[in-house]
Amino acid sequence: QKEVEQNSGPLSVPEGAIASLNCTYSDRGSQSFFWYRQYSGKSPELIMFIYSNGDKEDGRFTAQLNKASQYVSLLIRDSQPSDSATYLCAVRGGKLIFGQGTELSVKP
Amino acid sequence: SAVISQKPSRDICQRGTSLTIQCQVDSQVTMMFWYRQQPGQSLTLIATANQGSEATYESGFVIDKFPISRPNLTFSTLTVSNMSPEDSSIYLCSVELPQGNEQYFGPGTRLTVT
Repeated sequence: QKEVEQNSGPLSVPEGAIASLNCTYSDRGSQSFFWYRQYSGKSPELIMFIYSNGDKEDGRFTAQLNKASQYVSLLIRDSQPSDSATYLCAVRGGKLIFGQGTELSVKP
Repeated sequence: SAVISQKPSRDICQRGTSLTIQCQVDSQVTMMFWYRQQPGQSLTLIATANQGSEATYESGFVIDKFPISRPNLTFSTLTVSNMSPEDSSIYLCSVELPQGNEQYFGPGTRLTVT
């Protein structure tokens, strides 16, 4: 069974710190990797996607992919209280498979 | 991205009844999907809504329980039939745009079955 694993958290970081969110996946054939942010009571919002090994930066967000280790991560620099949400890792080989999500809490 | 709307946004339904959820996109899309998110859980794919043909259902989901229509490239419906309290969940429509591999989600329909 194809799986996507995330630490459920909660991950608590102080305002201004770097938040590091991690995800591992089991299907070596996976080609596309996504990070969604989900605020409580809202639907998932796509914030980053990465298709190639290495880093991809967009503003305060950096996605990192290591296909050999089957590992994808999301770094949030200068974390803000508004970043407090659940972050879902999703991996696509055929269909899109979601991890359980990591709850991030940024403390002022 | 795309602007995706769902109706209704929430509903409370009686056991044994059915509810049809609508998903409308502001542009033509290649793929439309229906997901379920149970309380405190992640997202589970119910089916892929295929334009002009029968939906493709994931393991554990059947057409009799979750009939899906997709009459054109911008609209789809999901019906939750013969509901039980276990169907209480958030139902989400998502779309994949023609030019990319990314999926975008609608606002969701929060269903409570009593």
